[in-house]
Amino acid sequence: LAKTTQPISMDSYEGQEVNITCSHNNIATNDYITWYQQFPSQGPRFIIQGYKTKVTNEVASLFIPADRKSSTLSLPRVSLSDTAVYYCLVGAMDSSYKLIFGSGTRLLVRP
Amino acid sequence: GAGVSQTPSNKVTEKGKYVELRCDPISGHTALYWYRQSLGQGPEFLIYFQGTGAADDSGLPNDRFFAVRPEGSVSTLKIQRTERGDSAVYLCASSQGGQGNTGELFFGEGSRLTVL
Repeated sequence: LAKTTQPISMDSYEGQEVNITCSHNNIATNDYITWYQQFPSQGPRFIIQGYKTKVTNEVASLFIPADRKSSTLSLPRVSLSDTAVYYCLVGAMDSSYKLIFGSGTRLLVRP
Repeated sequence: GAGVSQTPSNKVTEKGKYVELRCDPISGHTALYWYRQSLGQGPEFLIYFQGTGAADDSGLPNDRFFAVRPEGSVSTLKIQRTERGDSAVYLCASSQGGQGNTGELFFGEGSRLTVL
């Protein structure tokens, strides 16, 4: 399973756009890129998943360049409630899909 | 309920005791996962079930840890002779698995285990 590298922490202010970049240099052809969000005392929650180019949903956008060796999670106009840990994961979406979490990026949104 | 349910939410035990943690997955989800999360760390994979069988138990740290899912639904994580280092939040997740797998895991809120 491909290893990921992401910043340990980031600070932002309410209303700003936040971009968290994740490196996954040895991503395999069958691997998808998935991002999870985790609040204190809760389990991780799925945010977005993609394979290539750009994916957008009501919460975030995911940008994946052509070489797929990195990806960027974009959170538009963050609020205080977006303060959480964000995990980037890669893995094959087959019947034995197993997520390997790293340490994540701790995002702090300030008023 | 609609989500993954884990009990107990908190468990305090003494070193050397036996502990069971229960997970009730989302109805219809064939895949079930156990993770362990220590303070400040990401979740660490322990074991994955597809149906009743443990498809991947490579994350279990040693033979004191064991998990079962006898009817393909509820799962129990069992820890024998607990040690202080076992203190962590134990997370359970489920997903559709198999051909219906979308790669999205649904996590419970976890069982916080404290070994004194």
